[in-house]
Amino acid sequence: NAGVMQNPRHLVRRRGQEARLRCSPMKGHSHVYWYRQLPEEGLKFMVYLQKENIIDESGMPKERFSAEFPKEGPSILRIQQVVRGDSAAYFCASSPAFGTVSTEAFFGQGTRLTVV
Amino acid sequence: KQEVTQIPAALSVPEGENLVLNCSFTDSAIYNLQWFRQDPGKGLTSLLLIQSSQREQTSGRLNASLDKSSGRSTLYIAASQPGDSATYLCAVRDDYKLSFGAGTTVTVRA
Repeated sequence: NAGVMQNPRHLVRRRGQEARLRCSPMKGHSHVYWYRQLPEEGLKFMVYLQKENIIDESGMPKERFSAEFPKEGPSILRIQQVVRGDSAAYFCASSPAFGTVSTEAFFGQGTRLTVV
Repeated sequence: KQEVTQIPAALSVPEGENLVLNCSFTDSAIYNLQWFRQDPGKGLTSLLLIQSSQREQTSGRLNASLDKSSGRSTLYIAASQPGDSATYLCAVRDDYKLSFGAGTTVTVRA
């Protein structure tokens, strides 16, 4: 059973370009979460999705950022017109169900975005 | 809003010494608490999960305790080894959302 798969592992974009980060959850998992880790900071929640639904996007910047989790295929985190401040590690996690006391989050290896 | 604090921010010990990492959180209404390990430039590896009704969990040389009422968890690593050098993150779950501490970076000197 493959773990959470993220690609690419490293992404370099020039200012103003678009960045697309992909996340395939663990098999059997229908809930996906995106977190961002800025340099020297802890991980911050961005968005929580189920198939075809955004449940909570309270941690996402209001502009330039969007996320989707289509019925088929991976979840996509899209950053339009990237700026230097978007440089960070973006992690995806998945779980099989809503949060319960036994729900364990499994994380991918992350995508490290560098904006030049 | 849940706030998670980890103390100390960094720790350096000689090989063989026991490690004690602390985590505190402000809202005790949590589902569970998870400890992760992160190596430089890598992802997060789950070490232990403690459910809200549990007091501790053990895995090999690792033992984690949870005192939900006081908002504290402690991760103990016995007989540290150089391979234990990493950043250790504490995360609490409120329903579906994880709130992370900034981590404790551990260096074990050979």
